Amino acid sequence: GQNIDQPTEMTATEGAIVQINCTYQTSGFNGLFWYQQHAGEAPTFLSYNVLDGLEEKGRFSSFLSRSKGYSYLLLKELQMKDSASYLCAVVAPGSYIPTFGRGTSLIVHP
Amino acid sequence: EAGVTQFPSHSVIEKGQTVTLRCDPISGHDNLYWYRRVMGKEIKFLLHFVKESKQDESGMPNNRFLAERTGGTYSTLKVQPAELEDSGVYFCASSQDLWGGSLHFGNGTRLTVT
Repeated sequence: GQNIDQPTEMTATEGAIVQINCTYQTSGFNGLFWYQQHAGEAPTFLSYNVLDGLEEKGRFSSFLSRSKGYSYLLLKELQMKDSASYLCAVVAPGSYIPTFGRGTSLIVHP
Repeated sequence: EAGVTQFPSHSVIEKGQTVTLRCDPISGHDNLYWYRRVMGKEIKFLLHFVKESKQDESGMPNNRFLAERTGGTYSTLKVQPAELEDSGVYFCASSQDLWGGSLHFGNGTRLTVT
């Protein structure tokens, strides 16, 4: 089975940097995804990590350490529109179906 | 390109009634998935279609849930009879390939069973 842990809620100030952590305990590993979901909307793909290290994409970066079962999503220069739920999802070997964590609700305030 | 559309966006029914949710995937996407999010919990996988065939239905909670995808286009998810614990948001997603990052989600159907 898979156990994925994320903080329930985080708050941050506009213009700041925030790091959202995700730890997982899985029987094997075949990739980790981050999705963003605004209230009442569909989850949208942000990033994918399968090898250790940092993947940067504009204001968003995602880091993975497979040996530690750990990932984080780094958001820079926060904007109000970044207020959303951020979902960590892991794929087990032999599977292609992402298993989601409960998500972290990020609130950005002025 | 039109996205994944789901209908209805909201449904309120009484316990014991039947509800049918519909999902129209992105045109040309052979893979169609149903997920569910119960309040306060994670988004959970229900099942996966490849065209009209059920590839994986390991997440279906019980036999009150029936999913179909006749003709390999749109899909329906029927709950009969509905129970209180079925309340939640039902998401549909589609993809051309099996890579998880290519999943395109719909906005979901919020089901409330009273």
